[in-house]
Amino acid sequence: GQQLNQSPQSMFIQEGEDVSMNCTSSSIFNTWLWYKQDPGEGPVLLIALYKAGELTSNGRLTAQFGITRKDSFLNISASIPSDVGIYFCAGNNNAGNMLTFGGGTRLMVKP
Amino acid sequence: DTEVTQTPKHLVMGMTNKKSLKCEQHMGHRAMYWYKQKAKKPPELMFVYSYEKLSINESVPSRFSPECPNSSLLNLHLHALQPEDSALYLCASRLDVGGGEQYFGPGTRLTVT
Repeated sequence: GQQLNQSPQSMFIQEGEDVSMNCTSSSIFNTWLWYKQDPGEGPVLLIALYKAGELTSNGRLTAQFGITRKDSFLNISASIPSDVGIYFCAGNNNAGNMLTFGGGTRLMVKP
Repeated sequence: DTEVTQTPKHLVMGMTNKKSLKCEQHMGHRAMYWYKQKAKKPPELMFVYSYEKLSINESVPSRFSPECPNSSLLNLHLHALQPEDSALYLCASRLDVGGGEQYFGPGTRLTVT
């Protein structure tokens, strides 16, 4: 099925560094969601974005809903070891029923 | 409270067994979902229930049978599964199908032997 273009696929960074990942789509979305998934667990919702141009923060996390409604980014500042995991973006269009997921960004943090 | 619970956490079953996965939420959400997730891949949608009625079936084989007994519960009945059905099965819920935040449960790790 359709999948959002999420990049990078993986990142290996030093503790304390900032991280940025993004998702792009050829389609317009009305909602962008960012999730973090630990191994063997379900995805946990980090941030939800509802308006084009919206910039939202949650602690060290900041996410933005692109003006064109076709992209979103997630930044993590001052990374720590517990940030390790897979981050997924997901978009919801007008039909509303289903989320379209990005392929995921695997984040590894070196202490 | 944004909790979706799932049982069991782990399940090992043979290809001739019948088992069920259970999901529960008490957030008053009227849309509930089953997803299948393979390692290092995003979740793949299987079924959507809206107001306790099946609204979407993503061409899932009949050996997977969903059931929504009431607005808080969602089951997935399994029968005659194949080894390739081994995966993490995730339940999720949302206030309504129209959009908004979707919350996932912790998943059931299913192994078919």
